[in-house]
Amino acid sequence: ETGVTQSPTHLIKTRGQQVTLRCSSQSGHNTVSWYQQALGQGPQFIFQYYREEENGRGNFPPRFSGLQFPNYSSELNVNALELDDSALYLCASSARVGYNEQFFGPGTRLTVL
Amino acid sequence: AQSVTQLGSHVSVSEGALVLLRCNYSSSVPPYLFWYVQYPNQGLQLLLKYTTGATLVKGINGFEAEFKKSETSFHLTKPSAHMSDAAEYFCAVSNAGNNRKLIWGLGTSLAVNP
Repeated sequence: ETGVTQSPTHLIKTRGQQVTLRCSSQSGHNTVSWYQQALGQGPQFIFQYYREEENGRGNFPPRFSGLQFPNYSSELNVNALELDDSALYLCASSARVGYNEQFFGPGTRLTVL
Repeated sequence: AQSVTQLGSHVSVSEGALVLLRCNYSSSVPPYLFWYVQYPNQGLQLLLKYTTGATLVKGINGFEAEFKKSETSFHLTKPSAHMSDAAEYFCAVSNAGNNRKLIWGLGTSLAVNP
């Protein structure tokens, strides 16, 4: 059974650029959640995707957007990058029905200069 | 709205001593509660969870936690600390609703001294 994978591991961008982060969910999971974890902080919920549709969103601006594909993998897109977007971005997958545990990937470390 | 408070951003114990990491939650609906561990430069790993049923929950690596509704607490304990337990620990709460997003505490950094 393959766990949650994320790419790339590290990324450096400059202000104003756009970035796409990728996540492959664990086998059998159809729900993907994205979290932002700033240095020294707990994760903050960005949004969740279930069967290719957004299913809940945290307090993040519209320049944070996402996609989920038919194979349940997912992308997080961030436009017009700001310095405060520098963080570890975590993807978590879960089975939708009657299952509460979210399995996390190793994260993508984004640095915005 | 749900929230989580972790008391103590840094906890230091001696190897072999009791580990106690505190978590209090606020929730208007019956909560699902979780403890995750994060090692440096790694993602989050589930230690244990409470959803329904038995209030004393046993997890991996010898950790356990007890759900106390009257105290709105879900403290994490381990009888004897090991050097390998040094990590960041996060308590989280979720709803039983549609998206079950996790709401996180700020984390507690556990140091284990030889």
